[in-house]
Amino acid sequence: AQKVTQAQTEISVVEKEDVTLDCVYETRDTTYYLFWYKQPPSGELVFLIRRNSFDEQNEISGRYSWNFQKSTSSFNFTITASQVVDSAVYFCALSGVDSSYKLIFGSGTRLLVRP
Amino acid sequence: DTEVTQTPKHLVMGMTNKKSLKCEQHMGHRAMYWYKQKAKKPPELMFVYSYEKLSINESVPSRFSPECPNSSLLNLHLHALQPEDSALYLCASSHSGNTYNEQFFGPGTRLTVL
Repeated sequence: AQKVTQAQTEISVVEKEDVTLDCVYETRDTTYYLFWYKQPPSGELVFLIRRNSFDEQNEISGRYSWNFQKSTSSFNFTITASQVVDSAVYFCALSGVDSSYKLIFGSGTRLLVRP
Repeated sequence: DTEVTQTPKHLVMGMTNKKSLKCEQHMGHRAMYWYKQKAKKPPELMFVYSYEKLSINESVPSRFSPECPNSSLLNLHLHALQPEDSALYLCASSHSGNTYNEQFFGPGTRLTVL
């Protein structure tokens, strides 16, 4: 069965600090997809990134970067020089044949960036 | 800017009321989803429509009735709800029904059942 674990329930940092959100997944699939979504207080989930299991290249988008390591089944997300607007709940999710391609969400990490 | 819109933004209803939630997407996507999200929990999938046909029903109680009039619109009809159905209801769409495609979410309808 597929599972996503986000062990960090809440993280609090001061603005301009770097912060890493951890995501560990379990799957029997050889082909699968990993996602990160951001949910600000307004409620809407915002898509951030999708990665397939064959692409282990790290990705950088502005202050955001993602580290995908199949050897440790992890897909971690780092925010560099955090800002107050980064305060949100962040969900890691997994999809593949084993879940009938449904999105399996982790429990989410609430990030609070203090001024 | 989101290209998935949901109305209403907030809804308060009694247990005997009938109401509908509406969702519209303007991205030409062929798959649409309803999720339910309780406070401090991840979204839970309720229904998936693919090419306007119901493809997944996650054993949702019959008091929730989805409808997909066309590829851009998705409704969720509510009847005889219970207080525990109070939650944020999120609509999403994706290019096709294979959920390796990223899903784009609307802002949600915050439902309170009295």
